[in-house]
Amino acid sequence: DIQMTQSPSSLSASVGDRVTITCRASQSISFFLNWYQQRPGKAPKLLIYAASSLQSGVPSRFSGSGSGTDFTLTISSLQPEDFATYFCQHTYSRRFGPGTKLEI
Amino acid sequence: EGQVVESGGGLVQPGRSLRLSCAASGFTFGDHAMYWIRQAPGKGLEWVSGISWNSGSIGYADSVKGRFTISRDNAKNSLYLQMNSLRIEDTALYYCAKGGTDYGDYTFKSWGQGTLVTVSS
Repeated sequence: DIQMTQSPSSLSASVGDRVTITCRASQSISFFLNWYQQRPGKAPKLLIYAASSLQSGVPSRFSGSGSGTDFTLTISSLQPEDFATYFCQHTYSRRFGPGTKLEI
Repeated sequence: EGQVVESGGGLVQPGRSLRLSCAASGFTFGDHAMYWIRQAPGKGLEWVSGISWNSGSIGYADSVKGRFTISRDNAKNSLYLQMNSLRIEDTALYYCAKGGTDYGDYTFKSWGQGTLVTVSS
């Protein structure tokens, strides 16, 4: 089974900061990687699909990169509404990473 | 993107059954694969089950196989999850999610707000 890990598990940052979250797969998954944002008490929301494609309506400060086993989600300039938990997910195994909690 | 709204959650004793529903609107429901994903309190996300647009392909997580049954009614724009032999570890917020037209692409494009299932004696 493919395992997904994320680092860090939590991260403190400030409004305006540039932040990078890493996701790693236990074996190559090509570019079949999605990123979701979950604000407190809310449902998850698709941000990035196929490793680097921005979902419609998602601000351009979010970007994704990577292929194979190593992937990153970058937020170029943190906004107050970005403080949330971020999950990566391998598209075909349906498996999610454990999440990265982004805190002020 | 459309909208999905879950219902049917509640408090149930171990071993009992519950049926969840998901009502879809704002998109062509019959064109899309649909999924159930759950989140135990304070925990991460776990895919539970999925169904293709025509019910021809269905899948379950090992943790629920043989106990849960997914179904859909395209005429009613509705998705269902019949949960039998419930266990304490099934306690979670259950989300309904819209997929793409390809069942094998597990990209969850939009999610409902979830319905809470609590299994306790």
